[in-house]
Amino acid sequence: EVQLVESGGGLVQPGGSLRLSCAASGFIFSNYWMHWVRQVPGKGLVWVSRIRTDGTNIDYAASVKGRFTISRDNAKNMLYLQMNSLRVEDTAVYYCVRDWGNGYNFWGQGTLVTVSS
Amino acid sequence: DIQMTQSPSTLSASVGDRVTITCRASQSIDSWLAWYQQKPGKAPNLLIYTASILESGVPSRFSGSRSGTDFTLTISSLQPDDFATYYCQQYKSYPRTFGQGTKVEIK
Repeated sequence: EVQLVESGGGLVQPGGSLRLSCAASGFIFSNYWMHWVRQVPGKGLVWVSRIRTDGTNIDYAASVKGRFTISRDNAKNMLYLQMNSLRVEDTAVYYCVRDWGNGYNFWGQGTLVTVSS
Repeated sequence: DIQMTQSPSTLSASVGDRVTITCRASQSIDSWLAWYQQKPGKAPNLLIYTASILESGVPSRFSGSRSGTDFTLTISSLQPDDFATYYCQQYKSYPRTFGQGTKVEIK
């Protein structure tokens, strides 16, 4: 069974940092591009970042470029999102998603990041 | 960036109704469009990809179509389990962009 389990969310002050993790299981993790998508509670879905199978070909949404860093460890089946210089507007549920080439066919349950003083 | 304009934002319907949700892309995305269903407190779930192909396990009452840059999600006979929010997403180019969502409510 495919599973994506995010962790690392929580409450952080503006300007602070958090590292999100996503543990993948039930599939060959190294075969898939992976993404992060976020959603402000009650609002729509927003793409954040993507990473290719080998950890290269990385891209970010303009709103997070220079502050967030996506990475992966294929040996550990893990996806990460290092978030620095956090802003109030980064408050959202962050989803780890698997890209199979035709959209996202598996999503994690999400982890809530709250940026507030 | 490619803008995805989804309508309506809210739709009130009854069980058994035929429901149509529209998504318009600001430029050509060919058929690189997916539809997702999201229920409160849950992650989205893929329904349709490449504009019209039903994901495995999705009921056949769901269908998708394309006309140029206009895309449609149709539920032929609305069931109680279908009351949810629906999103379109283009995956032609980055940044990947979603429609604003359509909440299907009970009338």
